[in-house]
Amino acid sequence: KQEVTQIPAALSVPEGENLVLNCSFTDSAIYNLQWFRQDPGKGLTSLLLIQSSQREQTSGRLNASLDKSSGRSTLYIAASQPGDSATYLCAVIFYNQGGKLIFGQGTELSVKP
Amino acid sequence: DGGITQSPKYLFRKEGQNVTLSCEQNLNHDAMYWYRQDPGQGLRLIYYSQIVNDFQKGDIAEGYSVSREKKESFPLTVTSAQKNPTAFYLCASSMDGTRRTNEKLFFGSGTQLSVL
Repeated sequence: KQEVTQIPAALSVPEGENLVLNCSFTDSAIYNLQWFRQDPGKGLTSLLLIQSSQREQTSGRLNASLDKSSGRSTLYIAASQPGDSATYLCAVIFYNQGGKLIFGQGTELSVKP
Repeated sequence: DGGITQSPKYLFRKEGQNVTLSCEQNLNHDAMYWYRQDPGQGLRLIYYSQIVNDFQKGDIAEGYSVSREKKESFPLTVTSAQKNPTAFYLCASSMDGTRRTNEKLFFGSGTQLSVL
């Protein structure tokens, strides 16, 4: 069964720290990997999409990397701020899943002032 | 919310009742999706539609039904056959559900369904 896993489930850091969120997936045959942000009681906002042929994508203080061979992606957040507090989810489209996104469980991030 | 509107924000269902969740998009997207989110879990796909008048079951379609009569609209009905309907329901859309390499999803703000 193809799965996406995010560890830890929750993370708390002081403001200003650089931090890394992890995502692992069970099959390297993927079309792309996407990172989302979800605020409590809200929908998801797409942060970064990395295509299968790419190694990383950057947007502002966010950098996402992709290592297909090891089945891992990381989301790096530089100089964290309290406004970054949210749940971060990664999702993968595997080759043989008919184009469906498979989601991880998410990491709940809390940035303390 | 990226041009996707879900309503209502909160919905309560009585025993044996069918309820319908609305999802409308003005992004001119071909593909639309319904996901269910339970606390501490990732999203699970209920149904998706890649084009008008066509839709496919996702991983947890039992107890749910959908229609796609218009490109802009993809309502989800939670039937009485769904025995554990309490969850947060998210609708999403993408430009073209058949393109696999650049498939950004845009989400609505969600509907919280609870059982009375």
